[in-house]
Amino acid sequence: TQLLEQSPQFLSIQEGENLTVYCNSSSVFSSLQWYRQEPGEGPVLLVTVVTGGEVKKLKRLTFQFGDARKDSSLHITAAQPGDTGLYLCAGGDYKLSFGAGTTVTVRA
Amino acid sequence: DAGVIQSPRHEVTEMGQEVTLRCKPISGHNSLFWYRQTMMRGLELLIYFNNNVPIDDSGMPEDRFSAKMPNASFSTLKIQPSEPRDSAVYFCASHLSSYNEQFFGPGTRLTVL
Repeated sequence: TQLLEQSPQFLSIQEGENLTVYCNSSSVFSSLQWYRQEPGEGPVLLVTVVTGGEVKKLKRLTFQFGDARKDSSLHITAAQPGDTGLYLCAGGDYKLSFGAGTTVTVRA
Repeated sequence: DAGVIQSPRHEVTEMGQEVTLRCKPISGHNSLFWYRQTMMRGLELLIYFNNNVPIDDSGMPEDRFSAKMPNASFSTLKIQPSEPRDSAVYFCASHLSSYNEQFFGPGTRLTVL
């Protein structure tokens, strides 16, 4: 099983601040995904990154895949309360391995 | 599309009872996954099916757990007998085999007393 480590485990910020969440592994992944999970719901896919060094933007969210395809980061600019949730990274070809997640709380 | 459908959404049962969780994947998806999520262990893959055939059940914790997929539109996860340590949220997910983006259902919160 390929292990993914996420940091920090918890993050609490004020509305309007920026934040970055990290996902690291000692293994190389062909692709890596980021999901957001809200309380009482299943994870929802945000983005898939495939190419080493790739940067993808989704409104105020910026995702980066490391050059060596072993790590990824998620940066949120001007966070809003609606960004609150559990952010999970996942990697693997067919069978996904999930990180433990980062719980993000954005205070109004 | 209705998305992945799971039932029941909540289940409370007593230790020793049989529990059956149900899942309807997204129409046209030919891979289905069962996960368990707890605070301690996060999201764990239990078993996955491709074209209704179980491919990898190495995540199934023990013989008390079994899963079936009799057709492309239905799957069950059964726990018999249930134990308090089985309490968790169980998710079903599906995807097209050509892609690895998975679509999750809303989950079943299981409490075993």
